[in-house]
Amino acid sequence: DTGVSQDPRHKITKRGQNVTFRCDPISEHNRLYWYRQTLGQGPEFLTYFQNEAQLEKSRLLSDRFSAERPKGSFSTLEIQRTEQGDSAMYLCASSPRATNTEAFFGQGTRLTVV
Amino acid sequence: AQSVTQLDSQVPVFEEAPVELRCNYSSSVSVYLFWYVQYPNQGLQLLLKYLSGSTLVKGINGFEAEFNKSQTSFHLRKPSVHISDTAEYFCAVIPGGTSYGKLTFGQGTILTVHP
Repeated sequence: DTGVSQDPRHKITKRGQNVTFRCDPISEHNRLYWYRQTLGQGPEFLTYFQNEAQLEKSRLLSDRFSAERPKGSFSTLEIQRTEQGDSAMYLCASSPRATNTEAFFGQGTRLTVV
Repeated sequence: AQSVTQLDSQVPVFEEAPVELRCNYSSSVSVYLFWYVQYPNQGLQLLLKYLSGSTLVKGINGFEAEFNKSQTSFHLRKPSVHISDTAEYFCAVIPGGTSYGKLTFGQGTILTVHP
C-alpha cells in the first residue's frame, strides 16, 4: 500500500483549456475527498464521495468543475475553461469505512493557469 | 458552521528552543480537533488529533497539543525543535457526530527553525 496517489503532480495550462486530475485512494477506503489549497491559505473542502456516490459539493465547486468516482475506486476532478483563479494545489484524501477522523492525503496536483 | 483561526502566520525559532503554535476554533457543536503538517510541495500528514478524553494529546515527532474547551483553543507545542520541523502547520476541525470527515482548516502557520 503506497498511500493516496495523485497524477499529475504538476500541470501548467493555458487559460480556457480543460484539465483533468486523477486520485487513487488507499485501497478499500470507501471515502474520498477533494480539497483546494491556494497560496498562503489552508485547504478548502470541495467535494466528498462515499463509494461512487458524490454526497456533498461545496459552493466553491462551480459549474466548470466536475468530479467523478466510477466504481468507487479512483476519482477524477475536471476543470473546464480554466481561469487564472483556478491556480492552486488540488489535494485528494481518503479514509476507511467506519471512521470520520482519519484522512490520508495525497501529495497534491499543483495547477498553474497562464 | 465551524471556523478555525491560527493566530500566527509565521513563527521563527532557533533550533532546540521550545515552540507553541496557537489555534482557536469557533463552533456551535462539539468538534474533533487535528493538527496537520505540510512539507514543501507535499500533502498533509496528521500530527495528532483530539476526539475525547484526556485534553493533552501526544503526537508524532515529539509534538503535543492541549484542548481547552473554555477558551476554544487547541495549541500545538514542542519542547525542543529541530531543523527538520521547518514546515507549515495546519489546525483543523470536524464537527462531532457527523458521518464523514469533512475538515475545516485554519490558514496555516509557517514554522521556520534556524540553526
